[in-house]
Amino acid sequence: SQQGEEDPQALSIQEGENATMNCSYKTSINNLQWYRQNSGRGLVHLILIRSNEREKHSGRLRVTLDTSKKSSSLLITASRAADTASYFCATDALKAAGNKLTFGGGTRVLVKP
Amino acid sequence: SQTIHQWPATLVQPVGSPLSLECTVEGTSNPNLYWYRQAAGRGLQLLFYSVGIGQISSEVPQNLSASRPQDRQFILSSKKLLLSDSGFYLCACLLGRTPWDGYTFGSGTRLTVV
Repeated sequence: SQQGEEDPQALSIQEGENATMNCSYKTSINNLQWYRQNSGRGLVHLILIRSNEREKHSGRLRVTLDTSKKSSSLLITASRAADTASYFCATDALKAAGNKLTFGGGTRVLVKP
Repeated sequence: SQTIHQWPATLVQPVGSPLSLECTVEGTSNPNLYWYRQAAGRGLQLLFYSVGIGQISSEVPQNLSASRPQDRQFILSSKKLLLSDSGFYLCACLLGRTPWDGYTFGSGTRLTVV
């Protein structure tokens, strides 16, 4: 079952604009991660935020986490055409049988040059 | 650093045929390994995960199975494929020993059942 749900499902912006996408989840987590997937390719890990962190930066990426609302956001600043991809949030929870990463449905981002 | 190898990259199989997808990991020992499936335009669905040799946890009941015959080998199988088994299959490895180490993914196998 899907743990995270991304919003919006699709996003179209002009190069140079910021792109913001949100993720909500249902159960307690150890951390939340964001991944990027170019069309038909594997996933690339972008950033991980721990459950006791509220904000994290990596280059043009900014991630926030609100555990009280069970939500996270990913902001891509000064977007580039090369940022066109699908972005997925994934929650990591430690189960009795080991860690388990559960993905949302993703946000498809199109950055127009 | 860990590297995940998946093969084949693409596969076209008839309905009712068997399936075997292999994933091997380099650069680590006793990793947690995962099989995900992604339907076209959708998110990833966790199918199986394994914390060690012979230890398999199934997330979704279906006609797929997984096995871990060696420490760094994870195999996804089916005895008889269905049309609904089409999708993009990804193998993943937990990078370290803690929940905060992140995961790495293989390049995936695109399976089309015809």
